[in-house]
Amino acid sequence: DTAVSQTPKYLVTQMGNDKSIKCEQNLGHDTMYWYKQDSKKFLKIMFSYNNKELIINETVPNRFSPKSPDKAHLNLHINSLELGDSAVYFCASSQDRLAGANTGELFFGEGSRLTVL
Amino acid sequence: KQEVTQIPAALSVPEGENLVLNCSFTDSAIYNLQWFRQDPGKGLTSLLLIQSSQREQTSGRLNASLDKSSGRSTLYIAASQPGDSATYLCAVRGNDYKLSFGAGTTVTVRA
Repeated sequence: DTAVSQTPKYLVTQMGNDKSIKCEQNLGHDTMYWYKQDSKKFLKIMFSYNNKELIINETVPNRFSPKSPDKAHLNLHINSLELGDSAVYFCASSQDRLAGANTGELFFGEGSRLTVL
Repeated sequence: KQEVTQIPAALSVPEGENLVLNCSFTDSAIYNLQWFRQDPGKGLTSLLLIQSSQREQTSGRLNASLDKSSGRSTLYIAASQPGDSATYLCAVRGNDYKLSFGAGTTVTVRA
């Protein structure tokens, strides 16, 4: 059973296209995230949702739009793709509203490698 | 803004040697600190989570310490094995839900 699953794992597309990456977690967590890992392997947060509510929205182009239909899903839609969007996008989840030793521990998906040609 | 630094950027040791990975952060008002492992082309695997009220966490050969006042955490891996070769990432979480990552330390354990 995969705890945090993302699809697709690989995505190759042309500049200007629109694409989506889907993420689902079966851990019962209340918070989900999207991170971007660039070519230098540096991880940077893009968005976070808690119970379907947007709580973190970093400075990313508005071509990126997250959507959370329910607390187990957080999808990322990217419009008008550019060369600089090429990266690995990671979805993650955590449980933040329940006190306990592991509160706030993040679990990551395997990543979605996006290549824009 | 939280800044997280990991030193060294890369480390190569012979099998059996103990590993010491350092992480420093600029803002001591943290919620927790988490150490991850990332293998090439893979996602991040959580190794240890230290809440802000804790000083250390241990799991098998791994031990992580946290000193909030000095803004430091250290990950110790005892008796390293070739299978420990990976990139190790330190991430600090503020009270605003944001997790700030270091650039990682790439470890190579030589057989």
